[in-house]
Amino acid sequence: NAGVTQTPKFQVLKTGQSMTLQCAQDMNHNSMYWYRQDPGMGLRLIYYSASEGTTDKGEVPNGYNVSRLNKREFSLRLESAAPSQTSVYFCATDWVDYEQYFGPGTRLTVT
Amino acid sequence: GENVEQHPSTLSVQEGDSAVIKCTYSDSASNYFPWYKQELGKGPQLIIDIRSNVGEKKDQRIAVTLNKTAKHFSLHITETQPEDSAVYFCAATPANYGQNFVFGPGTRLSVLP
Repeated sequence: NAGVTQTPKFQVLKTGQSMTLQCAQDMNHNSMYWYRQDPGMGLRLIYYSASEGTTDKGEVPNGYNVSRLNKREFSLRLESAAPSQTSVYFCATDWVDYEQYFGPGTRLTVT
Repeated sequence: GENVEQHPSTLSVQEGDSAVIKCTYSDSASNYFPWYKQELGKGPQLIIDIRSNVGEKKDQRIAVTLNKTAKHFSLHITETQPEDSAVYFCAATPANYGQNFVFGPGTRLSVLP
């Protein structure tokens, strides 16, 4: 039982490049989330998916797209990376009682 | 929208002393308040939570108190140990935000041996 897994762990991109961050959970949870974490700013919600087939914007969605591929997987795509997207990205999941479980994170640097 | 403030931003205590971190929120309809611990290089981990119909909750050395009138809630860690050193985040769930959280900016706790 791995919980929430994220790939890759680290990534360096040049401005304008694209990439997809992958998240998978084996907890059979309905809801999945993508956050970014910047120094001194806590975690900010980018997108979330309340159930398979649905996605909604969070607090900071600009520059990102998401896909809820199935119940297990929720991916985050940067179509044209910018230095302002340098951050640590966390995926999380929960059932119905608010208790969110986080993955280990992806550290992204955009030069 | 909901705004969550957290104080202090850094806290140093001697091993065995108590630590208290306080958060305030703005949306009076928020009804769930979790605390997360994040160790270096890892994702946040839920350590305790409280719902709006409860005033206090304890789990061994950790407790959370909620004052809905004043719109603040606090994390109390007693008999601190070096392994308590981490960044702690509070969060609140606004009533019109589904199960989504608004996080505080975090408190870096250092427990000195």
